[in-house]
Amino acid sequence: TQLLEQSPQFLSIQEGENLTVYCNSSSVFSSLQWYRQEPGEGPVLLVTVVTGGEVKKLKRLTFQFGDARKDSSLHITAAQPGDTGLYLCAGGTASKLTFGTGTRLQVTL
Amino acid sequence: KAGVTQTPRYLIKTRGQQVTLSCSPISGHRSVSWYQQTPGQGLQFLFEYFSETQRNKGNFPGRFSGRQFSNSRSEMNVSTLELGDSALYLCASSMGLAGVGTGELFFGEGSRLTVL
Repeated sequence: TQLLEQSPQFLSIQEGENLTVYCNSSSVFSSLQWYRQEPGEGPVLLVTVVTGGEVKKLKRLTFQFGDARKDSSLHITAAQPGDTGLYLCAGGTASKLTFGTGTRLQVTL
Repeated sequence: KAGVTQTPRYLIKTRGQQVTLSCSPISGHRSVSWYQQTPGQGLQFLFEYFSETQRNKGNFPGRFSGRQFSNSRSEMNVSTLELGDSALYLCASSMGLAGVGTGELFFGEGSRLTVL
């Protein structure tokens, strides 16, 4: 069974702070996606990374795929209240997309 | 472009009853995946349908079933409901098979099921 553990589970920070969310597994994935889910809505894709060591930036968000393709991180610089939500990583193989346990982020003024 | 539509949005059932949830994917998308989301277990994969065929199945009992129609619309059914089936059921559509993990999944807003 492929498991994707995310840490931390919960994070409450103030506007302007930086944070990093981790997504770890003992399994190798061919790709890694990050989604954000806001209350009352379904998850929305933020990024897809497919190459070990790959780094992608989306404005204040930086995503990295581990060299061994078993882990990933999401770093947010100068967090804003609009970043509040549930962040989910998802690992892809040839046949299945497995979601992580999730990190709930709250950014306050 | 219309998004993924799930109906009903909310429903309340009692133990032992059955429920059918519906999902209309984005036009042109051939894959529909279903997920169960609960606070304790997170997002758990139920099954994926592509071109009317079930391509992959998660670790759920046989009470959970689904199907896909020729227009790519999908339904999932849960029979003999249990209290633990209370959850948000999310449907996601994609152009190709979701399991590959390189294409984008487009999620609906979900159907929130409460079992009393």
